[in-house]
Amino acid sequence: AQKVTQAQTEISVVEKEDVTLDCVYETRDTTYYLFWYKQPPSGELVFLIRRNSFDEQNEISGRYSWNFQKSTSSFNFTITASQVVDSAVYFCALSEYGNKLVFGAGTILRVKS
Amino acid sequence: DGGITQSPKYLFRKEGQNVTLSCEQNLNHDAMYWYRQDPGQGLRLIYYSQIVNDFQKGDIAEGYSVSREKKESFPLTVTSAQKNPTAFYLCASMALSGQTKRNYGYTFGSGTRLTVV
Repeated sequence: AQKVTQAQTEISVVEKEDVTLDCVYETRDTTYYLFWYKQPPSGELVFLIRRNSFDEQNEISGRYSWNFQKSTSSFNFTITASQVVDSAVYFCALSEYGNKLVFGAGTILRVKS
Repeated sequence: DGGITQSPKYLFRKEGQNVTLSCEQNLNHDAMYWYRQDPGQGLRLIYYSQIVNDFQKGDIAEGYSVSREKKESFPLTVTSAQKNPTAFYLCASMALSGQTKRNYGYTFGSGTRLTVV
């Protein structure tokens, strides 16, 4: 069975600090996809990144970066120089070959000015 | 522009009533999904459908029903059997690559917030 664990329920940082959101997953499939979504107060889910299980290359997009390590089943997300607008709930999610998307419980990020 | 439309944005239900949440997509996506979100929790899968006239139960299907008569539409009915329906409901869709069912990513609607009064 697939499972996603986001151990950090809530994180508070001061603006310009770097912050890392942890994500650990479990799956028996060799082919799977990992996602990160941002959920602002409006409730919509904003897609941030998708990574397939055969691509362990880390990715950087502006202030965002992702570290995918199959050896530890982790897909961590780092925000560099955080801003107040980064305040939201962030979800890590996993999809196996059968395409159902399973979410972690989410991490609330609060960035204070 | 292509996307998913959920309506209404806010919905109030009286005890014992059935209500239907609408989800329409014009992305020509094959698969559609319904998720429920409770405060402080992640999203849990209610039902999903990969083709027209076919759907499967997710992890929390009890008290809900769906239909998939058209590719574009996947309405969710919250029945009176659902004892705690107050939650935020999100609909999603995804394109499939046919036999391989390769995952091309999901598109989410803006959600419906259901409250029992």
